[in-house]
Amino acid sequence: DGGITQSPKYLFRKEGQNVTLSCEQNLNHDAMYWYRQDPGQGLRLIYYSQIVNDFQKGDIAEGYSVSREKKESFPLTVTSAQKNPTAFYLCASTPSRGLAGYTDTQYFGPGTRLTVL
Amino acid sequence: AQKVTQAQTEISVVEKEDVTLDCVYETRDTTYYLFWYKQPPSGELVFLIRRNSFDEQNEISGRYSWNFQKSTSSFNFTITASQVVDSAVYFCALSERKLIFGQGTELSVKP
Repeated sequence: DGGITQSPKYLFRKEGQNVTLSCEQNLNHDAMYWYRQDPGQGLRLIYYSQIVNDFQKGDIAEGYSVSREKKESFPLTVTSAQKNPTAFYLCASTPSRGLAGYTDTQYFGPGTRLTVL
Repeated sequence: AQKVTQAQTEISVVEKEDVTLDCVYETRDTTYYLFWYKQPPSGELVFLIRRNSFDEQNEISGRYSWNFQKSTSSFNFTITASQVVDSAVYFCALSERKLIFGQGTELSVKP
């Protein structure tokens, strides 16, 4: 079955720690995205990558970092510099990159709920 | 600038009622795409529909229907004969060069 997997489902972090959220897809999609969702709000774009070894900042990139060493994988690191990291994090992917990718349907993983203790 | 407004924060209906979720958008582009996603309590966003700006034909899929009106910049979603399994948060989204989400409407369908 093709799809997007995210792990872990729940993550607890102490203040001052970095944590890494995993996102893997076997859809052979070019582009991948990370979003943050806060209670009662829509999704906000953190980072996106259209091709291996390349990624761009979204609207709220401060305190986060990403890598794209493989087409299937796009891990997100929440650093200690992120002031309020408690949120629900969603990873998504689209088949195309570039302008075509912006109009593709984005398919989402099941999400990771991060809580800072 | 792009913007999506879902003015209804929460809607509560009784099973078998029809319900319409409103979505109003702002964009300066003539070419854009509109989407609806469903987010059940499990959290995963489930894709429902994608519509481009040149196709104003209304769409029906089972109990779901969508009304796209460029003249009022609206892309409303109607569920006919609602069921408890329809309870979820529904997001409308607009894409030009990136995907912009509305704040979502939480639909509660009571038995």
